Amino acid sequence: DQQVKQNSPSLSVQEGRISILNCDYTNSMFDYFLWYKKYPAEGPTFLISISSIKDKNEDGRFTVFLNKSAKHLSLHIVPSQPGDSAVYFCAERAGGTSYGKLTFGQGTILTVHP
Amino acid sequence: KAGVTQTPRYLIKTRGQQVTLSCSPISGHRSVSWYQQTPGQGLQFLFEYFSETQRNKGNFPGRFSGRQFSNSRSEMNVSTLELGDSALYLCASSLDPGNQPQHFGDGTRLSIL
Repeated sequence: DQQVKQNSPSLSVQEGRISILNCDYTNSMFDYFLWYKKYPAEGPTFLISISSIKDKNEDGRFTVFLNKSAKHLSLHIVPSQPGDSAVYFCAERAGGTSYGKLTFGQGTILTVHP
Repeated sequence: KAGVTQTPRYLIKTRGQQVTLSCSPISGHRSVSWYQQTPGQGLQFLFEYFSETQRNKGNFPGRFSGRQFSNSRSEMNVSTLELGDSALYLCASSLDPGNQPQHFGDGTRLSIL
């Protein structure tokens, strides 16, 4: 039972254009949502997050949108840069005693072409 | 500020052996979580420790265990290693369990021959 799904294994974008990465979830107990970026041979690096009480959060070139009715999360990167090429993971946290547990999607490989 | 430190970075073991991996969290962080990353299963939660107590455990067999020390450093142990235990093991820390985000180390790459 995959609670978090990133349906696109890969995404290719031209430098300067927008990158949109998507994530769907099934567990309505999730109350906090995060995006991580991962380069080969490194651990995931936190990018941006959003609480379930919000529907949008911005940080520089990164914006995360949350649609709770559709159980859908997306990350927009504008403008995309070649250095953004990495694997992107969405992660969700359930409330209550599971605060310390993150459930991850399978990841999307983003390639930004110069 | 130093990040999460995991040692060793690489490890090669044979089936049936046991292994201990170490994680030093960011200074001041008291919550440590462990994850396993494999190509087939992705990133999966192993367990979480806070104040030397295991708070949550993922869906892994009892061969996987861990502990946390009074200085918040954590170790995980895998006994009777199987080929399928080959993976990248990641440790993440946060101030406390309710505090996000978790910050990850670069992991220990475990290979079982």
